[in-house]
Order: sequence, then C-alpha cells, then structure tokens
Amino acid sequence: GQNIDQPTEMTATEGAIVQINCTYQTSGFNGLFWYQQHAGEAPTFLSYNVLDGLEEKGRFSSFLSRSKGYSYLLLKELQMKDSASYLCAVRDSNYQLIWGAGTKLIIKP
Amino acid sequence: NAGVTQTPKFRVLKTGQSMTLLCAQDMNHEYMYWYRQDPGMGLRLIHYSVGEGTTAKGEVPDGYNVSRLKKQNFLLGLESAAPSQTSVYFCASSEDSSGANVLTFGAGSRLTVL
Repeated sequence: GQNIDQPTEMTATEGAIVQINCTYQTSGFNGLFWYQQHAGEAPTFLSYNVLDGLEEKGRFSSFLSRSKGYSYLLLKELQMKDSASYLCAVRDSNYQLIWGAGTKLIIKP
Repeated sequence: NAGVTQTPKFRVLKTGQSMTLLCAQDMNHEYMYWYRQDPGMGLRLIHYSVGEGTTAKGEVPDGYNVSRLKKQNFLLGLESAAPSQTSVYFCASSEDSSGANVLTFGAGSRLTVL
C-alpha cells in the first residue's frame, strides 16, 4: 500500500530552527508537496520538490531524496504565526496526491 | 478574486437525511476535488473532476455523489447521511494535475451527522 509518515506533533521555540521529516512509500513518484494548515483553516501551498536537493523560499526550505523516499521541511527564525499543521503529500504514478496525516507544530515563546 | 468558496460552512444532519455541499471557483481551473479530513488521518479524496461534465471516484467515494454541470461549480451530495460521514470537507481546484500545479482549497465545511 501507499504510505506517508510524519511525526504527529513537534514543539519548538520562537526564533529557533525546526525540521519536519516526511518519509513515503508510493506507487511511483511525480513530485512532493508541503502545505501549511492553521487550525480551522484551509491548507495553503508552501513548497514543491520533484528533483533531489534543497529548494529555498525565504524562511522555509524543503529537501528531497527520491532514492531514500524522504523529504524534510526546514523552518528558520520561527515565529508564533508558524504554529500550524504541516502536511506532506506525494503525487503518485497516477498523478493522485497521497497525503500524510500532518505534523502539528507548536511554537513556544 | 474569491478563489474557492464552499457553502455551507457548518451543518448538522440527522442520520438518513440528505444534503448538498456546493463548491465554486473563479480561477477557471479545469480540475476540482472533494476531500474529507478526519483527526489523525491525511486528506482523503472522495471524488474529483478533470473538466466540465466529468467526474471520477477517489479513494473513499461510497455514500457520496458529485456533479460538475458547470466548469466553476462542483457539488458533493450525501443521499442518506451516516455518522461515519461526520468530518470536515474541503473542496479544491487546480489548473491540471501535473508539474508544480498546486491545489487551492476552500475554507472547509464542517458536517456533523447525529
């Protein structure tokens, strides 16, 4: 079966750096997405990786290793507004998105 | 641009009742999707559409029906609601399903079935 694994919850301190990991086992691979979802709101797009390596976008970076079935989202200079759930999703060989359950990130002052 | 609009935002149903969730997008997107989100689980695809007049089953289609009579609208129907359908429902749209095309989500519809 297809599976996306992420930690359920993480805690970090304001101003620090946090890395959220995502491992996947899917039928084929056509890209990996990270979305942010604040409580009670809709998911919003953060990043997209299709080739191995690091994609940087401001305070957020996303890394992909296709051979290891692994990605991480790196958040720097954490702010209170970064408290949210972070969803990892992989597009499989049928171009369907398979979603992880999300990682709830709690930022403490 | 309003993006993706879902109505209603909240609804309480009794077992066996029927209802329709409406999704409207103003971005001229071809693809539209209905997901459900339950605690501890990833988003699960119910049905999707690749263009006006088309629909297809997703991962969890049982108990739901959909229609896409107009490109901008995607309706999700529950003919006979069951408590297992208590969930938050999200509609989303995208230009297509390839490359870096991302999903734009609606604000969600919270449904409780008693």
